[in-house]
Amino acid sequence: GQQVMQIPQYQHVQEGEDFTTYCNSSTTLSNIQWYKQRPGGHPVFLIQLVKSGEVKKQKRLTFQFGEAKKNSSLHITATQTTDVGTYFCAGPEAAGNKLTFGGGTRVLVKP
Amino acid sequence: ETGVTQTPRHLVMGMTNKKSLKCEQHLGHNAMYWYKQSAKKPLELMFVYSLEERVENNSVPSRFSPECPNSSHLFLHLHTLQPEDSALYLCASSQADTQYFGPGTRLTVL
Repeated sequence: GQQVMQIPQYQHVQEGEDFTTYCNSSTTLSNIQWYKQRPGGHPVFLIQLVKSGEVKKQKRLTFQFGEAKKNSSLHITATQTTDVGTYFCAGPEAAGNKLTFGGGTRVLVKP
Repeated sequence: ETGVTQTPRHLVMGMTNKKSLKCEQHLGHNAMYWYKQSAKKPLELMFVYSLEERVENNSVPSRFSPECPNSSHLFLHLHTLQPEDSALYLCASSQADTQYFGPGTRLTVL
């Protein structure tokens, strides 16, 4: 079946620094979605990318969908303590209503 | 965010108890999901309902029994659970690909 993998599993970042987390799918995706789960919270939809090579920005967050539509990245600039949480990527399965989620990247920010 | 609500938010139960988790979505979506989230498996899909019909059962033990009486409500009936079933149980709904999660029920099985 479809597998979605994320690296790194944990990301320790100094406040103010940039970092990137990566998402790779075993199959070509029609779209890729990113979710954020704050500590003690639930996953919240951030963004969806549909087109090959698409880049979208949300303030300090930059999301990119690979040309082959099998990978994606999330780059955060000038990390803040509000960025703490687990970031999941997810891709829809070819048929049905299912999303396959990656294992998540847990971001910890050092002030 | 009140589009998807879950009750109770916290539940402690013994292994011989029977309890139910409730999920309600106010978004007019046609699909609903149960996920289990634990330290071992961050987001583990359990069940999928589409138009009130179960379309996915991911090899979940029979001690978990879902029920979807209508497109807005989803239940997870629990009985004879094991301590390893302690986890955060998340409900989600969707109309297309994007899923909207409820706050979850933190379940502890003693």
